[in-house]
Amino acid sequence: NAGVTQTPKFRVLKTGQSMTLLCAQDMNHEYMYWYRQDPGMGLRLIHYSVGEGTTAKGEVPDGYNVSRLKKQNFLLGLESAAPSQTSVYFCASSWTSGSFVHEQFFGPGTRLTVL
Amino acid sequence: GENVEQHPSTLSVQEGDSAVIKCTYSDSASNYFPWYKQELGKRPQLIIDIRSNVGEKKDQRIAVTLNKTAKHFSLHITETQPEDSAVYFCAALARGSQGNLIFGKGTKLSVKP
Repeated sequence: NAGVTQTPKFRVLKTGQSMTLLCAQDMNHEYMYWYRQDPGMGLRLIHYSVGEGTTAKGEVPDGYNVSRLKKQNFLLGLESAAPSQTSVYFCASSWTSGSFVHEQFFGPGTRLTVL
Repeated sequence: GENVEQHPSTLSVQEGDSAVIKCTYSDSASNYFPWYKQELGKRPQLIIDIRSNVGEKKDQRIAVTLNKTAKHFSLHITETQPEDSAVYFCAALARGSQGNLIFGKGTKLSVKP
C-alpha cells in the first residue's frame, strides 16, 4: 500500500496563477483533510471531506477550493495564488467507527512558493 | 472553538535525560488527544494517542498523561536519544467535529549527544 500520496512535491507559482494539488489514498478512508503548515504555526485545517461528494470548510479556507469526486482522491485548488499562500501543504486521511476517531495518516507534503 | 496551547516551543536536553511537553485545550468535550512527531522535511507521524476514558498510556520510552479536570495533557519521553530530535505536535479533537483535529504550534526537541 502506498498510503497517502501527494502530487506535486514542489511547485513555484507567480502571483495570480492557478494550480491544483492532488491527494490520493489507497486505504479506503472516508475522511480526508487538507492542512497548511507555516513556521511556528503548526498545522491548520483548510478544508475537509467526510465522504465522496462532500466538502466542508476548516479553519483557514479563504483562497482555496476543494473537490472530492472519488473516494480515494481529494483535490485542493488555488484559483489566484497569492504570496501569503506560500506554505507546505499536507493531505491526510482517516476513518471513524461510530464516534470513535482513528489515526490521521499524512501524505509527504507539497512545498508551494508563490512569487 | 477549540484552542490548543503547547509549551515549550523549543526544548534542548542531553542524551539520556527525560523530556516533557505540555498542552492545554479549551473544549471540555474533547475526547481524543494524539501526539505527532515530524522530522525535518518529513510528514507528521502519530507516535501515541490517548482517549478521555484513560489517564495515562505508555509505549516503551514514550508516555502520555491526561488530566481532564485541568484540561491538559503531556508527552513524556524517557532516556532520550539523538533520533528523538524532531518537532512534536499535540492535538485535540474539536467539538462536534468529524475527525477534525486542532493542533498545537509544535515543540522543537533537540537531543544533544
